[in-house]
Amino acid sequence: NAGVTQTPKFRILKIGQSMTLQCTQDMNHNYMYWYRQDPGMGLKLIYYSVGAGITDKGEVPNGYNVSRSTTEDFPLRLELAAPSQTSVYFCASSRPHEKDEQFFGPGTRLTVL
Amino acid sequence: DQQVKQNSPSLSVQEGRISILNCDYTNSMFDYFLWYKKYPAEGPTFLISISSIKDKNEDGRFTVFLNKSAKHLSLHIVPSQPGDSAVYFCAASGNSGGSNYKLTFGKGTLLTVNP
Repeated sequence: NAGVTQTPKFRILKIGQSMTLQCTQDMNHNYMYWYRQDPGMGLKLIYYSVGAGITDKGEVPNGYNVSRSTTEDFPLRLELAAPSQTSVYFCASSRPHEKDEQFFGPGTRLTVL
Repeated sequence: DQQVKQNSPSLSVQEGRISILNCDYTNSMFDYFLWYKKYPAEGPTFLISISSIKDKNEDGRFTVFLNKSAKHLSLHIVPSQPGDSAVYFCAASGNSGGSNYKLTFGKGTLLTVNP
């Protein structure tokens, strides 16, 4: 099992550009999440999904969009990138009805200049 | 408004001694608490958790204590090892025993274990 994989590892964007952060998990988890971590801060939930076709906003959804067409994939879309979106982005997944452990990917470090 | 607080940004201990990491929370609806460990350039990994119906949970060298009346939990690592050097995040949720989809994280504490 590869677990949760994220691509790319690093990316630099110009203000106003858009991009998609990819996330894939091979554990057949129903639940998937996107977090961002700013320097010196904890992780903040951007969006989450409880299954294919179902997504919902987290704490900081503005400027982002998600889709969940399959159980495995949960891409995060940034439209009109802004410097405030400079952060490290983590994707995670979990099975419901277990001990609430979330499995995290290695992260994508995004810089918007 | 920070609902999960880790007031010590860093902690340094000697190898073999006890490491105690603290976490406070303000939301009385939280009933499940987790600790995650994070190495540089990696994602967080789950370490240990505790439900609000317990006051202690132990897993090898790691023990988490929960004081509900004080809204305080702590992670004890005994004995500390250099490989334990990492950032430790405290997290809380309000869906104990069921599907958790909203974890609230603290800012983390950087633990350094000196050989």
